[in-house]
Amino acid sequence: SQTIHQWPATLVQPVGSPLSLECTVEGTSNPNLYWYRQAAGRGLQLLFYSVGIGQISSEVPQNLSASRPQDRQFILSSKKLLLSDSGFYLCAWKRRAYTEAFFGQGTRLTVV
Amino acid sequence: DAKTTQPNSMESNEEEPVHLPCNHSTISGTDYIHWYRQLPSQGPEYVIHGLTSNVNNRMASLAIAEDRKSSTLILHRATLRDAAVYYCIRNSGNTPLVFGKGTRLSVIA
Repeated sequence: SQTIHQWPATLVQPVGSPLSLECTVEGTSNPNLYWYRQAAGRGLQLLFYSVGIGQISSEVPQNLSASRPQDRQFILSSKKLLLSDSGFYLCAWKRRAYTEAFFGQGTRLTVV
Repeated sequence: DAKTTQPNSMESNEEEPVHLPCNHSTISGTDYIHWYRQLPSQGPEYVIHGLTSNVNNRMASLAIAEDRKSSTLILHRATLRDAAVYYCIRNSGNTPLVFGKGTRLSVIA
């Protein structure tokens, strides 16, 4: 069966510090991968998605970046965090086309 | 742009059926209709999806209008654990899923 791992579960980081969140998928190959963010009390905002190794599409211009160094690994990064980067970060994967998406348990990031 | 319209909130009594509506009047012929739900402090969870025919699974039923411009998610017997935000989404192939604000369902004991 397929599983998605996302870590850490919670993170408190000072303003200006770097960020690296990792997401890995097991049990499938060549998935579509996604990063979403949910600010407190708000909806899910799509940040990045990838349809293959090294292929990243950005939906929202900001100080975050994403990379896909391996087929089932998706990394969200920042060189310098802002207070506004606080939120609930979710990684998701789906097979091609019209299939359902599966979400990780999320990382709750608080920038202080 | 989520391209679907849902009520902001709904309330149901425990053990009663719940009908959650969704309008997607601009849906294309190849778009699937997906439903997800998000419990507090968790990631979204897939519920059900369909194209034209009504669909049933262990969690819910999906009724799709004949013109496909609307659909209804049916929870046959609401429980307290069904309290969540329910999202109706158009799935256009390989394009990413875009979430709207969803419907916050409250279940009263």
